[in-house]
Amino acid sequence: AQSVTQPDIHITVSEGASLELRCNYSYGATPYLFWYVQSPGQGLQLLLKYFSGDTLVQGIKGFEAEFKRSQSSFNLRKPSVHWSDAAEYFCAFLRPNFGNEKLTFGTGTRLTIIP
Amino acid sequence: NAGVTQTPKFQVLKTGQSMTLQCAQDMNHNSMYWYRQDPGMGLRLIYYSASEGTTDKGEVPNGYNVSRLNKREFSLRLESAAPSQTSVYFCASSEQIAGGAYEQYFGPGTRLTVT
Repeated sequence: AQSVTQPDIHITVSEGASLELRCNYSYGATPYLFWYVQSPGQGLQLLLKYFSGDTLVQGIKGFEAEFKRSQSSFNLRKPSVHWSDAAEYFCAFLRPNFGNEKLTFGTGTRLTIIP
Repeated sequence: NAGVTQTPKFQVLKTGQSMTLQCAQDMNHNSMYWYRQDPGMGLRLIYYSASEGTTDKGEVPNGYNVSRLNKREFSLRLESAAPSQTSVYFCASSEQIAGGAYEQYFGPGTRLTVT
């Protein structure tokens, strides 16, 4: 079955430190991959997406993600986090050209920032 | 351009009561979705509508019905609410942005409690 896994339920980092959130997928070909952020009490906002081409993808708010086919991963990174980055982050997966518009979401990683 | 809007923001129901969650989008998207979000489970698709006049079941459709009233509006109905339906409900709409790829936009959510 196709799926996406976020191994870390909760991560705590200090403000100004670097961040990496993990996402692994299970699929026989290259999927479309997305990272969404959800601030407390809010809906989901798209940070970045990968369809094809350059495996390092730049997004909003200073985030980037790297697609690694050999590791079936699409990890989200930020060089220096800000207190406003505290939120829940979701990786999502879509099978391309399958006539299926339905995203499959990971279970999310909650990010806490300490001063 | 309001994007995706949802009403109400909060709702408390007693077991057995019915209600309809409303969703509207002003982006002229064909596809619309209803998700529920529960702690530790990410977002799970309840129903979706690929175009006006069509609806399809998602991963967790039991206990829900939907209506795609027109291109803008997609409502979710709970006929007889149960405590297991306590959740945060998100509506989303999507546009096709590259061959086979869709980008979803989310509403702010409805927090529903069933007692």
